[in-house]
Amino acid sequence: SQTIHQWPATLVQPVGSPLSLECTVEGTSNPNLYWYRQAAGRGLQLLFYSVGIGQISSEVPQNLSASRPQDRQFILSSKKLLLSDSGFYLCASTGGLNSPLHFGNGTRLTVT
Amino acid sequence: AQSVTQPDIHITVSEGASLELRCNYSYGATPYLFWYVQSPGQGLQLLLKYFSGDTLVQGIKGFEAEFKRSQSSFNLRKPSVHWSDAAEYFCAVGPSGGYQKVTFGTGTKLQVIP
Repeated sequence: SQTIHQWPATLVQPVGSPLSLECTVEGTSNPNLYWYRQAAGRGLQLLFYSVGIGQISSEVPQNLSASRPQDRQFILSSKKLLLSDSGFYLCASTGGLNSPLHFGNGTRLTVT
Repeated sequence: AQSVTQPDIHITVSEGASLELRCNYSYGATPYLFWYVQSPGQGLQLLLKYFSGDTLVQGIKGFEAEFKRSQSSFNLRKPSVHWSDAAEYFCAVGPSGGYQKVTFGTGTKLQVIP
């Protein structure tokens, strides 16, 4: 079964600072990878998804970007954080057709 | 566009009582439906999923859900709630094929009182 590692678990960053959140997946090859953001009372918002190395699709315009340098590595970045970037970020993976999403434990980002 | 509605933001039940969490979806084709559970500060864990076949699906931790196409619903049930079931529950819908570009509801927070 898939295991998704996310780090760090919590992060406090000042406005204007850069961001790099990393996600790695074990137990599957060529997964589809996703970044979600969760805000209180608003469910999960899909930010990016990737179907392969170097292939990134963005779902919403924002201050963030994503990259997939390796098959099982997915990185969420920002050059300059905004207060509105605060939230709980979740990486997810699916292993194939009709395979459900598996989630990591998330990163709590607070921008101050 | 696909959407999910969870009309109950917060539900409180007594330990040992039955539970039903409501979920209504909007999807133009055959949906792939999910229920996830999230404990505070944690990721989401899949409880159960429905793709096709028997409309009553069994999941982990004693949960079940029933797909009702005529009502566009996928309600989650448990006959007897345990204190450890206190968490937030998310219903989700996605396409029945390909990668899972899933839409989530806003969640229902379950409180269990002794």
